[in-house]
Amino acid sequence: AQTVTQSQPEMSVQEAETVTLSCTYDTSESDYYLFWYKQPPSRQMILVIRQEAYKQQNATENRFSVNFQKAAKSFSLKISDSQLGDAAMYFCACKMYSGGGADGLTFGKGTHLIIQP
Amino acid sequence: DTGVSQDPRHKITKRGQNVTFRCDPISEHNRLYWYRQTLGQGPEFLTYFQNEAQLEKSRLLSDRFSAERPKGSFSTLEIQRTEQGDSAMYLCASSIATGGGETQYFGPGTRLLVL
Repeated sequence: AQTVTQSQPEMSVQEAETVTLSCTYDTSESDYYLFWYKQPPSRQMILVIRQEAYKQQNATENRFSVNFQKAAKSFSLKISDSQLGDAAMYFCACKMYSGGGADGLTFGKGTHLIIQP
Repeated sequence: DTGVSQDPRHKITKRGQNVTFRCDPISEHNRLYWYRQTLGQGPEFLTYFQNEAQLEKSRLLSDRFSAERPKGSFSTLEIQRTEQGDSAMYLCASSIATGGGETQYFGPGTRLLVL
């Protein structure tokens, strides 16, 4: 079984500043995938960024980047130049690769990100 | 290109009643997932289909829950004899099978309240 832990229930950042959301995970698999999803209030969950565990290079998507530390099983999300539209619940998730089959995502409890104007 | 849709968006029912939810995935997606999300928690995996075959079920999916995906298109999730503990947001997601790490696209969810 795999677990995902987000230790920050809530984070607050000034508009235009940078914020880092923490995530640690535990899995016995060597091949897996990591994701950050964003869930705005009363809106559907959307993918922010994804990382394949076999890739050493950290993923980047515009203002969003990750710090993937495989040995430490850490997968933090950095949001640069924070914007009001970034306010949402952010979920870290892990998915095993099980020999061509598929498994559901395992999510953390989420971090509520507040952007202060 | 339409996204994943779910119907109804909200459902209020009395304890002991049966409810059914529908999910329409993105048209070319062959994988479909169901999750349950309770207040203050992340989504929890319930079950998944590849085409019309139900390939995995979580321990969370009790005997009162059943899911189908006839013809590999839309899916239904039925809860029989609802209990207050079933109150949650039920999320559907779909994806295209690419070997395991594909992105899942989520619908808006169905919020269930059992009185």
